[in-house]
Amino acid sequence: AQKVTQAQTEISVVEKEDVTLDCVYETRDTTYYLFWYKQPPSGELVFLIRRNSFDEQNEISGRYSWNFQKSTSSFNFTITASQVVDSAVYFCALSEDTGRRALTFGSGTRLQVQP
Amino acid sequence: DSGVTQTPKHLITATGQRVTLRCSPRSGDLSVYWYQQSLDQGLQFLIQYYNGEERAKGNILERFSAQQFPDLHSELNLSSLELGDSALYFCASSPRDYTDTQYFGPGTRLTVL
Repeated sequence: AQKVTQAQTEISVVEKEDVTLDCVYETRDTTYYLFWYKQPPSGELVFLIRRNSFDEQNEISGRYSWNFQKSTSSFNFTITASQVVDSAVYFCALSEDTGRRALTFGSGTRLQVQP
Repeated sequence: DSGVTQTPKHLITATGQRVTLRCSPRSGDLSVYWYQQSLDQGLQFLIQYYNGEERAKGNILERFSAQQFPDLHSELNLSSLELGDSALYFCASSPRDYTDTQYFGPGTRLTVL
């Protein structure tokens, strides 16, 4: 069965620090899809990135970067030079070709960026 | 703004009652998904509809049901409500299926008193 683990429950940093949010997943499928979503205090879920299992290229988008490593089943998310507006709960999620075929979410990591 | 709309934003009701949550997907999306977010269970998949037909089922209680209409909007019906049903209910949509990115609506916060 698919599973997503976000071991960091809460992280607190000071503005301009870099921070990495960890995500470890379990799946028996060879084809699967990984996602990160952001949930700011207002409550909505905002899509950040999607990665297919057959594409191990890392990605950078502004201050955000993602490191996908199939060998360790990890899909970590780094925010460079964090800002107060980055304060939110971040969810890693997985969907796979077999089984339920819907998103399985991790428990989330609450990031607090202090000014 | 994801393009997915949900109404109402907030709902307060009593135990034993029945409520209906409504979702309109992004233009062109055929799949609608419902998720429940609660403090103890986290974000859980409930059910998916694709072009009017049920496609996948998750941890949805028998007291809950959903449907997708010909105009592709969806409704989630929750009946015989219990205190434990208090949660944030999200609707998401995608063009086709689980291989696509799901875009989430703002959610409906249900409080059962």
